[in-house]
Amino acid sequence: EVQLVESGEGLVQPGGSLRLSCAASGFTFSSYAMHWVRQAPGKGLEYVSGISSNGGSTYYADSVKGRITISRDNSKNTLYLQMGSLRAEDMAVYYCARDHSVYDLTYNMDVWGQGTTVTVSS
Amino acid sequence: DIQMTQSPSSLSASVGDRVTITCRASQSISKHLNWYQQKPGKAPKFLIYVASSLQSGVPSRFSGSGSGTDFTLTISSLLPEDFATYYCQQSHSTPPTFGQGTKLEIK
Repeated sequence: EVQLVESGEGLVQPGGSLRLSCAASGFTFSSYAMHWVRQAPGKGLEYVSGISSNGGSTYYADSVKGRITISRDNSKNTLYLQMGSLRAEDMAVYYCARDHSVYDLTYNMDVWGQGTTVTVSS
Repeated sequence: DIQMTQSPSSLSASVGDRVTITCRASQSISKHLNWYQQKPGKAPKFLIYVASSLQSGVPSRFSGSGSGTDFTLTISSLLPEDFATYYCQQSHSTPPTFGQGTKLEIK
């Protein structure tokens, strides 16, 4: 079964840091680009970041650029999101998602994890 | 950034009804349009890609159409499990952007 499982949920103070992880199984992780998408409480979906299958290409939304780093470890079938300088507006459920196409960053996201919650509050 | 606008924002319908949700892009996106379904407390589910291609495992009562700036998602005959929020998303250019969502409720 194709599966993505996020972890790293936490409560952090404004300005703090947090690392999210996404463990993949049931498919050849190293062949697929991966993404992070977030959803603030009661709001819609917002694209955060994406990374190519080999990690050589990354993309960040302007809202997080310079504060967040996406990375992957294909030997561990795991995607990461290192978050820093967190703000109240970063508070959301963070989903990892797989790109629909092998190898390419197409931004079509066909498999999603269950989400992990980031709370930013003093 | 390309703005995606869905209409209506909410919709009440009955089991068996045919419903259509519209998504409009602020500029042409060719056919680079996806649709997702999200139920409360759950992750989005990928329904349709490149405007009209049905993702594997998605029931055939779901269909999509459109190109350029105007797109539609149609559910031919609503089942109880279809009541959810639906989002369109463009993948034509970065950043990928989502519509605000259409909440489909039971009448």
